[in-house]
Amino acid sequence: GIQVEQSPPDLILQEGANSTLRCNFSDSVNNLQWFHQNPWGQLINLFYIPSGTKQNGRLSATTVATERYSLLYISSSQTTDSGVYFCAVGGTSGSRLTFGEGTQLTVNP
Amino acid sequence: DGGITQSPKYLFRKEGQNVTLSCEQNLNHDAMYWYRQDPGQGLRLIYYSQIVNDFQKGDIAEGYSVSREKKESFPLTVTSAQKNPTAFYLCASSPRDRGIYEQYFGPGTRLTVT
Repeated sequence: GIQVEQSPPDLILQEGANSTLRCNFSDSVNNLQWFHQNPWGQLINLFYIPSGTKQNGRLSATTVATERYSLLYISSSQTTDSGVYFCAVGGTSGSRLTFGEGTQLTVNP
Repeated sequence: DGGITQSPKYLFRKEGQNVTLSCEQNLNHDAMYWYRQDPGQGLRLIYYSQIVNDFQKGDIAEGYSVSREKKESFPLTVTSAQKNPTAFYLCASSPRDRGIYEQYFGPGTRLTVT
């Protein structure tokens, strides 16, 4: 099956800093999603981005499918951005997702 | 409000008992999924269903069973055969039309078996 690697595993920032999270995957994908897991465990959809670039406020994401990676950018980070960020990919069937191990982000005031 | 509900939020059981976790969605999605999350790890797929009355095993199906009798419901039974059932269980759903499979998640159920 598809392998998904996220980096870095842990990231500590001061409020206001920018950051880039990376997701590498081992095969062609028809689905790629970025999620934020809040302290209560809820997975919040950030981006559905099997290819291209999208932006939503302070967050943006880019997927280069031909080179098998995706990047999540967080600008002007806030303490509420803290939590775990997951990348998940779906193969040619698109339906089932394989998750990476996540990036634990801590934003200090 | 459209969404995915899971109940209960916390569940406690004694070892050797079967337990059923509920998942309901009113998003009119064809596909539904069950994932398991252990502390500090990513999610792993247990079972998924792309249509009513059909489902497939995921990566860690042993010790679990599911049914899909209605489009909006996909209950998961954790059987006594599951060796390490204590975990956080998340249900998701997605559409299947137009090649878009974006998954949306419920709030999860934390199961503790002692």
